[in-house]
Amino acid sequence: NAGVTQTPKFQVLKTGQSMTLQCAQDMNHEYMSWYRQDPGMGLRLIHYSVGAGITDQGEVPNGYNVSRSTTEDFPLRLLSAAPSQTSVYFCASSLVMNTEAFFGQGTRLTVV
Amino acid sequence: GESVGLHLPTLSVQEGDNSIINCAYSNSASDYFIWYKQESGKGPQFIIDIRSNMDKRQGQRVTVLLNKTVKHLSLQIAATQPGDSAVYFCAETDNYGQNFVFGPGTRLSVLP
Repeated sequence: NAGVTQTPKFQVLKTGQSMTLQCAQDMNHEYMSWYRQDPGMGLRLIHYSVGAGITDQGEVPNGYNVSRSTTEDFPLRLLSAAPSQTSVYFCASSLVMNTEAFFGQGTRLTVV
Repeated sequence: GESVGLHLPTLSVQEGDNSIINCAYSNSASDYFIWYKQESGKGPQFIIDIRSNMDKRQGQRVTVLLNKTVKHLSLQIAATQPGDSAVYFCAETDNYGQNFVFGPGTRLSVLP
């Protein structure tokens, strides 16, 4: 049972480049979410999904897109990377909203 | 306690002593609270949760206390071990009861 798997673990982008952070879970969880974590701060919600085909914005959605075509996958897209998006990104899933969330190991992104 | 900004509050305890990590939450309507532990380079890991209809919940070596009157949450760790060294986050449900809002975290350092 792999839990929540994020790829890649590390990434360096140039300003203006685009990329997709992958997230997959094998627990048949309905709820998935993306957070970013900046030094000395808690996790801030970017986007979330309550089930396949449904996504919604969190606290800091600007510059990011998501889609949820399957229950298992919830990719996060950076359309045009900016230095302000340098952060550690975490994907999480839970059986339903408002229950214990399981987190991936994170993706450390640097935008230069 | 919590603080805003780049510098995490730090709690240093001797190995074998008890630790108490505090968290002030802001949403009086929150009905669910979670404590997470995050070790360096890893994703947050669930420790214990509590619903608003309870004021205390115990797990293995951990106890969470909830004081709704003053909107205060605490995590007690008994017989603190080196493996407990990590950053600890509290999280509360948001205004819509849909997602979690995380505090900035407290770093626990266990001294030999």
